[in-house]
Amino acid sequence: GNSVTQMEGPVTLSEEAFLTINCTYTATGYPSLFWYVQYPGEGLQLLLKATKADDKGSNKGFEATYRKETTSFHLEKGSVQVSDSAVYFCALRASGGYQKVTFGTGTKLQVIP
Amino acid sequence: DVKVTQSSRYLVKRTGEKVFLECVQDMDHENMFWYRQDPGLGLRLIYFSYDVKMKEKGDIPEGYSVSREKKERFSLILESASTNQTSMYLCASSSQGTSLYEQYFGPGTRLTVT
Repeated sequence: GNSVTQMEGPVTLSEEAFLTINCTYTATGYPSLFWYVQYPGEGLQLLLKATKADDKGSNKGFEATYRKETTSFHLEKGSVQVSDSAVYFCALRASGGYQKVTFGTGTKLQVIP
Repeated sequence: DVKVTQSSRYLVKRTGEKVFLECVQDMDHENMFWYRQDPGLGLRLIYFSYDVKMKEKGDIPEGYSVSREKKERFSLILESASTNQTSMYLCASSSQGTSLYEQYFGPGTRLTVT
């Protein structure tokens, strides 16, 4: 079956530090890949997405590149802010028009001033 | 903006009670989902629905049922609540009109069963 593996948190960084959150996946075919973010007390919201190999999703300074050869979709940001403190979820939707999304376990990021 | 609302942010129920969690979306989405979120386990799909009166079991349907009588509303029912159903419950919706099926989430209901 499909699965998503994320690095365990929590991740604690100082403001302006470089962020990487690792994500690898297992799926047949060509899944679509997503990063969702959950701010404290809120539901998840889509942060960025990529639909095919070598696509780069980007939003709010965050980036992730769909690497089919390594089945990875690592999230990066060059300079984090306190307001980026949240839980980040990597997710995939299998190819073939199937609506279900498989989520990773989430990585909590805490940015300190 | 898509809006998904859930009937309660916090709920406390007793073991054995019947519990209803309501979710409403205002974007005419065909698909709706119920997840539970637990530390270390991430999001797990309980049930989903493609259309009115249609439902499909997700990964952990045991102890739950759902109802979708109107397109905008998707209810999760705990027939007899148990302490192991204490969790955060998230509702989501998505459109079949795009290939990505991006999901939009509500704020969640934190349910405590005592």
